[in-house]
Amino acid sequence: EPEVTQTPSHQVTQMGQEVILRCVPISNHLYFYWYRQILGQKVEFLVSFYNNEISEKSEIFDDQFSVERPDGSNFTLKIRSTKLEDSAMYFCASSDGTLYYNEQFFGPGTRLTVL
Amino acid sequence: AQTVTQSQPEMSVQEAETVTLSCTYDTSENNYYLFWYKQPPSRQMILVIRQEAYKQQNATENRFSVNFQKAAKSFSLKISDSQLGDTAMYFCAFLYLYNNNDMRFGAGTRLTVKP
Repeated sequence: EPEVTQTPSHQVTQMGQEVILRCVPISNHLYFYWYRQILGQKVEFLVSFYNNEISEKSEIFDDQFSVERPDGSNFTLKIRSTKLEDSAMYFCASSDGTLYYNEQFFGPGTRLTVL
Repeated sequence: AQTVTQSQPEMSVQEAETVTLSCTYDTSENNYYLFWYKQPPSRQMILVIRQEAYKQQNATENRFSVNFQKAAKSFSLKISDSQLGDTAMYFCAFLYLYNNNDMRFGAGTRLTVKP
């Protein structure tokens, strides 16, 4: 069964450094999402992406964040200058948009640790 | 804004017994979806069950069923005949019908099934 995959599983970085989190959505899916979960807190929506542009973003998704679909398979989340409070699990999700609602399939997550 | 509340951070149940996880939400919308996601340790979130708000009948998927009380804005998950493999974090989530991008999650309930 197709799955969303994410790499790396764990990323450690220094404060102020740029990080790129990678996701490979399910191949025929058209909608892509990023969520984050700070340890012990709820999963929070960051951004959704469709047709090569952001369709929705939350207040968390400020100018430090960007998303890109650089080729036909990858979907990336870039944090330009990481802060300590960016430490969290980051989940990618995708959906095919053919259902009357977009059932989202989640990846296993990337744990980002900012030192 | 929609908020989702899970008031039980942790629960445990004996194998083969029944457990109910609570979820309440706050919205002024009338058309939406509610979900329960399961996140096993170190694994990705998977959809357990879905409820459309316009349906009065409670959703059921094998051992999993919900008690959807729209007026009370309550959406509890009942797991019957609990199995060791049910041990996981369980997240309640809300999705507005007309904005299929921004899924709102509760903080999660960590369920442990004891042998």
